[in-house]
Amino acid sequence: DTEVTQTPKHLVMGMTNKKSLKCEQHMGHRAMYWYKQKAKKPPELMFVYSYEKLSINESVPSRFSPECPNSSLLNLHLHALQPEDSALYLCASSQGQATNYGYTFGSGTRLTVV
Amino acid sequence: GQQLNQSPQSMFIQEGEDVSMNCTSSSIFNTWLWYKQDPGEGPVLLIALYKAGELTSNGRLTAQFGITRKDSFLNISASIPSDVGIYFCAGPYAGGTSYGKLTFGQGTILTVHP
Repeated sequence: DTEVTQTPKHLVMGMTNKKSLKCEQHMGHRAMYWYKQKAKKPPELMFVYSYEKLSINESVPSRFSPECPNSSLLNLHLHALQPEDSALYLCASSQGQATNYGYTFGSGTRLTVV
Repeated sequence: GQQLNQSPQSMFIQEGEDVSMNCTSSSIFNTWLWYKQDPGEGPVLLIALYKAGELTSNGRLTAQFGITRKDSFLNISASIPSDVGIYFCAGPYAGGTSYGKLTFGQGTILTVHP
């Protein structure tokens, strides 16, 4: 299995809703990432988990809450989002340091906040 | 932080033509990565470069790691309609953070006319 699987593929939520994005990989990768991507722009890093511990938080607002229940799963909990949070949310994983191996990205969750 | 300047921003070509795009930086990189992103999908790694001067091919794609370690180019030969997408260069953040942060170029949007 060489994939990163993200669910759901599409999500529409109101500003008062609570929802979660899920990401799963079975490649034995020990680093997992959340990225946010606006249309025709490069991905922007949000969070990095290394060995199931949060190692990097790129000053992301607290309405985004990541969680890594085990080495294969990564969640992103969403609460009280704003319309400007609408974007493609990408999960990625890597075997080791990204400098040597690059990332494997999932297909993303297209989030629309109304 | 490091910046990657990717050009051109967009290209409109005829099927069968060759394509060239490049990334430059004012800082030295130890690794260069080239990704392609199809609409509605996550980026897919095309080529990874690890040594200055390295020239690597993947089918019709060829990429080189510049001798100065501050640039890289990607060539696509004999383009076909499925080459359409956004191409990103990426390199590791020079801050030395492990499980690190990739710096992405702004992307090259490629359109291929049949």
